[in-house]
Amino acid sequence: GAVVSQHPSWVICKSGTSVKIECRSLDFQATTMFWYRQFPKQSLMLMATSNEGSKATYEQGVEKDKFLINHASLTLSTLTVTSAHPEDSSFYICSAFSGRAGYEQYFGPGTRLTVT
Amino acid sequence: QQQVKQSPQSLIVQKGGISIINCAYENTAFDYFPWYQQFPGKGPALLIAIRPDVSEKKEGRFTISFNKSAKQFSLHIMDSQPGDSATYFCAANTNQGGKLIFGQGTELSVKP
Repeated sequence: GAVVSQHPSWVICKSGTSVKIECRSLDFQATTMFWYRQFPKQSLMLMATSNEGSKATYEQGVEKDKFLINHASLTLSTLTVTSAHPEDSSFYICSAFSGRAGYEQYFGPGTRLTVT
Repeated sequence: QQQVKQSPQSLIVQKGGISIINCAYENTAFDYFPWYQQFPGKGPALLIAIRPDVSEKKEGRFTISFNKSAKQFSLHIMDSQPGDSATYFCAANTNQGGKLIFGQGTELSVKP
């Protein structure tokens, strides 16, 4: 089956610093990748959609200057949380769409970000 | 229009029982309805999915029932096991590669 990895799996950073999270499709090329954030006991909230080689499309209310997304290749997308604050602490999850298996999207294991 | 409403919010079932989770949608353009299982601290994993041209799909102990006219679909977990204890999300989307609209989630607890 298709595998999506995320790195790091958890990160602690100080307020005001930036953090980069990587999302990789390990055995397929992902035409589209999605970034979600999830607060405890809540549903997944889509932050942005990224297509390789083009600018990400952000959902309403998501600050594109704060959450920088780069989809540099068909197997790698990165999310950078700039000038992180404690309210950015959350579980960040990516998913990837391959186009090989119909509509199916494959999710990464998630990254736990804690901003102190 | 873009919402998917999921119920119940939480569910407790005895081992061996049937767990039933329901979802409803408004957008008739949705044409793909997956269910995801998520364990604490992990990403969601696809359990089973259905397209609106069929009314039921079964994979092992998991069955999706789909009612197009009522715009509802449900997940049935037969012979529920403690290992099934997790949060379940229904979702829908309108096209390949398109964004998924998630339900609110159901926290399932299967008691031994």
